[in-house]
Amino acid sequence: DVKVTQSSRYLVKRTGEKVFLECVQDMDHENMFWYRQDPGLGLRLIYFSYDVKMKEKGDIPEGYSVSREKKERFSLILESASTNQTSMYLCASSFTYGEPKYEQYFGPGTRLTVT
Amino acid sequence: DAKTTQPPSMDCAEGRAANLPCNHSTISGNEYVYWYRQIHSQGPQYIIHGLKNNETNEMASLIITEDRKSSTLILPHATLRDTAVYYCIVEPLLADYKLSFGAGTTVTVRA
Repeated sequence: DVKVTQSSRYLVKRTGEKVFLECVQDMDHENMFWYRQDPGLGLRLIYFSYDVKMKEKGDIPEGYSVSREKKERFSLILESASTNQTSMYLCASSFTYGEPKYEQYFGPGTRLTVT
Repeated sequence: DAKTTQPPSMDCAEGRAANLPCNHSTISGNEYVYWYRQIHSQGPQYIIHGLKNNETNEMASLIITEDRKSSTLILPHATLRDTAVYYCIVEPLLADYKLSFGAGTTVTVRA
């Protein structure tokens, strides 16, 4: 089974702190994604990476950065946390080649609260 | 992109089959139907996908009508752990990777 793990299930940080969320997948997937999910707004893509050291902005990259130094690991960084970044953060991974592109495997999520 | 319509909620008895409908009347020829579910406070889980033919895996079966305007996800023997929000989405093969969900169907399996 594909396994995607995230470093924390729950996290509480203060405004202005630098926050690191880590994600690891064990299926040798090329693609990795960071989404956030908020009530009424659904799932929104922050960043995705299609290879080591490669990244693409999603719909809401402002206030976030990412790092992918190894194929299995994709980190999301909140440079200076703000209260509007309180959310559920979801990491996902998928293969690049062949179809289907939308067969993505998600981690359990990190519920981040910024106070 | 084709839009989907799902009932907001449905109940199902434990041990019975759960049939979840999805309408996608504007689907085009190269668009796949995908199903995901999300159990409360967990990440979404991929279930199954199909293009034209019916599909079955260890989790569920997907029945797509011949005109492809609607589909049904079948959970053959629902358990309490199948209680979740189920999302039906359609996406073209060559689109970007960005997943987005609609409101989905909240399925409650009752003992």
